[in-house]
Amino acid sequence: DGGITQSPKYLFRKEGQNVTLSCEQNLNHDAMYWYRQDPGQGLRLIYYSQIVNDFQKGDIAEGYSVSREKKESFPLTVTSAQKNPTAFYLCASKGQGSRNSNQPQHFGDGTRLSIL
Amino acid sequence: AQSVTQLDSQVPVFEEAPVELRCNYSSSVSVYLFWYVQYPNQGLQLLLKYLSGSTLVKGINGFEAEFNKSQTSFHLRKPSVHISDTAEYFCAVSDLGGYQKVTFGIGTKLQVIP
Repeated sequence: DGGITQSPKYLFRKEGQNVTLSCEQNLNHDAMYWYRQDPGQGLRLIYYSQIVNDFQKGDIAEGYSVSREKKESFPLTVTSAQKNPTAFYLCASKGQGSRNSNQPQHFGDGTRLSIL
Repeated sequence: AQSVTQLDSQVPVFEEAPVELRCNYSSSVSVYLFWYVQYPNQGLQLLLKYLSGSTLVKGINGFEAEFNKSQTSFHLRKPSVHISDTAEYFCAVSDLGGYQKVTFGIGTKLQVIP
């Protein structure tokens, strides 16, 4: 079945440590997204990528970094500069172009990051 | 710029009763509208979407929503809820062109009471 796989499901970080969250999709989607979810705040966009080797900052990019070396993969690194990283992180993907303009985003099952 | 307002953060309802989850949006351009459901510790799953045409949209699990352009609303309804409908529901809007930025509401937690 096609879908989005996020790993790990749960992740713990020590103070001052960088951690990388994995997101892989086999939907052949061009666009991929990272969201942060906090209670009562909905989803906030961290970074997005519309094509391989290109990505843009979202609304809350500070303290995060991404790469898009392959169409299938869009890993997110939470750096030590992110002072409040405890949250639920969701990855999504979507087809691009006029043929896919009315299609919704597809979501992975998320990674919950906690600080030790 | 576009925005989404979900007017209720929590909605308790008895099993088999009807429910309406409210969503209002603001946008200077035409938009697509979506409702997603999220079960605990899972991602978002699409319930239904409005793109154009009929203003009454039917989705999965017996849910439906009505697009009202004059009131800029897209309320979600179900005539009879089940315990398994207990989840968080998100309304979202997407503009039509270019990057198609998606804006999500803050979510409404539906608690179905046995």
